[in-house]
Amino acid sequence: QVQLVQSGAEVKKPGASVKVSCKASGYSFTSYFIHWVRQAPGQGLEWMGIINPSGGYPTYAQQFQDRVTMTRDTSTSTIYMELSSLRSEDTALYYCTREWRTDAFDIWGQGTMVTVSS
Amino acid sequence: QSGLTQPASVSGSPGQSITISCTGTSSDVGGYVYVSWYQQHPGKAPKLMIYDVTNRPSGVSNRFSGSKSGNTASLTISGLQAEDEADYYCSSYTSSSAYVFGTGTKVTVL
Repeated sequence: QVQLVQSGAEVKKPGASVKVSCKASGYSFTSYFIHWVRQAPGQGLEWMGIINPSGGYPTYAQQFQDRVTMTRDTSTSTIYMELSSLRSEDTALYYCTREWRTDAFDIWGQGTMVTVSS
Repeated sequence: QSGLTQPASVSGSPGQSITISCTGTSSDVGGYVYVSWYQQHPGKAPKLMIYDVTNRPSGVSNRFSGSKSGNTASLTISGLQAEDEADYYCSSYTSSSAYVFGTGTKVTVL
């Protein structure tokens, strides 16, 4: 079936980087954009950026512009999101989600919990 | 870009109708038809309920409907049921070629 499967939980120290993966299956990997959305504990959803699995070409939310990198590996149908210079406020559940059509995120990964703590 | 403004909570009795508002600006909600709504139950990933302001994906109950007037979009749940108790988020495409989510609304079924 169509699904996005993310990598497991991470615990990082402040200042470190984290790289989260999102493996797509059950559909044509290069046909749909992938977004990353995060949710801090007890808080709302925050859009981080988008990547085109076909050509790369990521676009990042302004607040993450200098700290986030989104890449893809077409050979394994996997999208990666790396966030650097981590701080405690980055503790959150990170989701990848498929853009079925503009503004419609129809398939979501199970989420990856990233905890930043000294 | 700050989040779109939603009421923190909305409640209703079973069978009633409730409406959740989502207020943005002419650079997002008011400027595009690209407004969507997501339902999130505790511990679960969000689920797409409405896209393109008014459209329901296959499998979503017709008790859910969307609309927009100016810079404010709305989600109406009619015939409220216990299973509708969840958090709801709106989302909009923006003039910066980005997306922004609403602040979220907790729906309580009394």
